[in-house]
Amino acid sequence: DIQLTQSPSFLSASVGDRVTVTCRASQGVSRYLAWYQQKPGKAPKLLIYAAYDLQSGVPSRFSGSGSGTEFTLTISTLQPEDFATYYCQQLSSYPLTFGGGTKVEIK
Amino acid sequence: EVQLLESGGGLVQPGGSLRLSCAASGFTFRSYAMNWVRQAPGKGPEWVSTITGSGSNTYYADSVKGRFTISRDNSKNTLYLQMNSLRVEDTARYYCAKAGDSSGWLDWGQGTMVTVSS
Repeated sequence: DIQLTQSPSFLSASVGDRVTVTCRASQGVSRYLAWYQQKPGKAPKLLIYAAYDLQSGVPSRFSGSGSGTEFTLTISTLQPEDFATYYCQQLSSYPLTFGGGTKVEIK
Repeated sequence: EVQLLESGGGLVQPGGSLRLSCAASGFTFRSYAMNWVRQAPGKGPEWVSTITGSGSNTYYADSVKGRFTISRDNSKNTLYLQMNSLRVEDTARYYCAKAGDSSGWLDWGQGTMVTVSS
């Protein structure tokens, strides 16, 4: 099974900050990695697919990078609506897995 | 517009059964694999199961293998999850999600809550 380790698990930041979240896979997943944003009481929302492709309609301040085993999600200028929990997901092989999440809170 | 509407959740005793449904619309249902994902209160999402568009192939998380069965009725545009031998640890909100053309799931339902408790 492929384990995804996200870091940090918690992040305190201010509006306007640049934020980076890392997702490390226990084995290579090529580009089969997605990033989601989740707010309380809502389903996950797809931000980035195939490691670094921005989903249509998602603000360009979100970006993804990486391939293989190390991936990053970057928010270039944190906005008030970005305070949420972020998850990575690998779709390379079954069982599909999610990272443990990174909660971004207001400093 | 893609719509996914789950139903069938509720309160059930340990060892009991439930069948979840996910009614799909706005896309050619038979052309897409479908997924169940669950999320326990305060926890992250956990993939549960996937079924291919034709229904010929299914995949399960080890935590539910042998107890849960995923199926679909392409004539009714509906996805199912039969859950047997339920355990307290199966308590979660269950979401259905449409597999995308790319690596990521854009479309999710609102979820249905399953509570396993005596």
